Amino acid sequence: QKEVEQNSGPLSVPEGAIASLNCTYSDRGSQSFFWYRQYSGKSPELIMSIYSNGDKEDGRFTAQLNKASQYVSLLIRDSQPSDSATYLCAVTLSELTGGGNKLTFGTGTQLKVEL
Amino acid sequence: KAGVTQTPRYLIKTRGQQVTLSCSPISGHRSVSWYQQTPGQGLQFLFEYFSETQRNKGNFPGRFSGRQFSNSRSEMNVSTLELGDSALYLCASSSKVDWDQFFGPGTRLTVL
Repeated sequence: QKEVEQNSGPLSVPEGAIASLNCTYSDRGSQSFFWYRQYSGKSPELIMSIYSNGDKEDGRFTAQLNKASQYVSLLIRDSQPSDSATYLCAVTLSELTGGGNKLTFGTGTQLKVEL
Repeated sequence: KAGVTQTPRYLIKTRGQQVTLSCSPISGHRSVSWYQQTPGQGLQFLFEYFSETQRNKGNFPGRFSGRQFSNSRSEMNVSTLELGDSALYLCASSSKVDWDQFFGPGTRLTVL
């Protein structure tokens, strides 16, 4: 079982719709959760971080974390063609008992927003 | 605030050579992490440095090494390059433990 799993997609949504991206993780003790956006040929760009159960909103983006279900999601409201990219879920696993910044990434979900 | 910078942006090397990549973190950030990204394996963690000490290490062979200087700038070195080392090498900096990591533009390494 992979440590962080995402559906590779592509996920196609019409412009203006809500895009829902999902991620599951295997380490129940994971502490920190991140969503990155990566355009083709570019480096990952941090969209959201979430550390506690519930929702966190930032503009058109909402991250949702459910530690009991080991599930984190990203909702993109009013999707735009410029949102078309690969979205990477990243987790800090509990093995880092001494602290540190080691991110374990999923393989990413490709999002296509169609006109 | 200036972002994370990486040099060089592109490199072409031949098998058996060695290479050194450089990363300057965001001002004030003391943690620098390195990742390798390939189409087949995705993004994989190499190592992390904090206050000139390697704090975490991924599952890469000893040919991959790094260091951090007192000004938080970091370098990674790959010796005896193999074809499979062709990848995008990304550096990320962070200001605190388990806080947000910001990536640089990456160095695209091609091994021929």
